[in-house]
Amino acid sequence: EVQLVESGGGLVKPGGSLRLSCTASGFSLSDYNMNWVRQVPGKGLEWVSSISSSGSYIYYADSAKGRFTISRDSPKNSLFLQMNSLRVEDTALYFCVRRTSVWNWFGPWGQGTLVTVSS
Amino acid sequence: DIQMTQSPSSLSASIGDRVTITCRASEDVSNYLNWYQQKPGKAPELLIYGASSLQSGVPPRFSGSGSGTDFTLTITSLQPEDFATYFCQQSYKIPPWTFGQGTKVEVK
Repeated sequence: EVQLVESGGGLVKPGGSLRLSCTASGFSLSDYNMNWVRQVPGKGLEWVSSISSSGSYIYYADSAKGRFTISRDSPKNSLFLQMNSLRVEDTALYFCVRRTSVWNWFGPWGQGTLVTVSS
Repeated sequence: DIQMTQSPSSLSASIGDRVTITCRASEDVSNYLNWYQQKPGKAPELLIYGASSLQSGVPPRFSGSGSGTDFTLTITSLQPEDFATYFCQQSYKIPPWTFGQGTKVEVK
């Protein structure tokens, strides 16, 4: 069974850092394009970052550029999101999501990890 | 960036109703339009990709249509498990992948 499990969320002060992790099972992360998508509870979805299967192509939303870094550890089959200089507006549920290559649809999704940025 | 606009933002419907949700892109996305369903406390799940292709395991009462800038998600006979929030997403001019703001389908 394909499964994604996120961890690493929590409460952090503005300006602080967090590192989110996503552990995959049932498939190899390095065979797929992987993404982080976030959602303010009760609100819409915002794509945050993407890493291609080869690792050669990395993209960030404007809101994440210069502050967030996506990476992966293939032997551990894990995806990461290093988040620095966190802002109150980064408060959201962060989902780890697999993406297809053909139609670029997202799925499956992890259950999400909650990041709260507050003083 | 391509902006995606859904309408309505919410709707009330009864079991057995036909429900239609529309999604408009700010520019041509061809047929690279996907629909997701999200239930409270759960992650989104793919319903339709490529504007009209039903994801495996999704009931045939769900259907999608459209191309270019205007798209529609239709539920032909609303079931109790269909009360949820629905999001459209363009996957044509990327990055960024952009989503509509969501349409919440509630019990009438």
